[in-house]
Amino acid sequence: AQRVTQPEKLLSVFKGAPVELKCNYSYSGSPELFWYVQYSRQRLQLLLRHISRESIKGFTADLNKGETSFHLKKPFAQEEDSAMYYCALSTQGAQKLVFGQGTRLTINP
Amino acid sequence: GAVVSQHPSRVICKSGTSVKIECRSLDFQATTMFWYRQFPKQSLMLMATSNEGSKATYEQGVEKDKFLINHASLTLSTLTVTSAHPEDSSFYICSARVPRWVNEQFFGPGTRLTVL
Repeated sequence: AQRVTQPEKLLSVFKGAPVELKCNYSYSGSPELFWYVQYSRQRLQLLLRHISRESIKGFTADLNKGETSFHLKKPFAQEEDSAMYYCALSTQGAQKLVFGQGTRLTINP
Repeated sequence: GAVVSQHPSRVICKSGTSVKIECRSLDFQATTMFWYRQFPKQSLMLMATSNEGSKATYEQGVEKDKFLINHASLTLSTLTVTSAHPEDSSFYICSARVPRWVNEQFFGPGTRLTVL
């Protein structure tokens, strides 16, 4: 079965510091990985997906198949980055997403 | 584009009653919609996949007779919680898949159900 693990429930960093939200997955085939973000009192929205290989709001994430990881990184955190972040996986041919437990990121001023 | 709405945003009902939650895709046709459940401070758990014009596919452990899903049109899926009990109290979220963006889902704002 597919599984997504986000080891940190809470992560707090200071403004301007680098931030890394960890995500590991287990799946024997070729997965498609996503990061979703949920700002306070807003709906869940897609932040980025690994196949796009783009940077959104300064965030990047690289799929490392050897380590089965898809960590989310930003070199300089901003206060507006405070939110709940979910890593999700979709398997080949499947339509559904499997979510990790989520990490609440707090950026301190 | 790709906006998904849910109605109602919150509902309080008595134990034993049934509650219907609507999920609509406002500016696109969604052949596939998904229903999730989220407990406080926990992640989203997929309950079922709803395909227009066919029966929903339920995840293991989800009672199909308790959580009735209907996807009668390309823009509307409904979730009916039948004979609701306090343990059904939760945050229910729907999402829709945009066909041209394979595997990308757009989420509704969620419905908070409280069963007294």
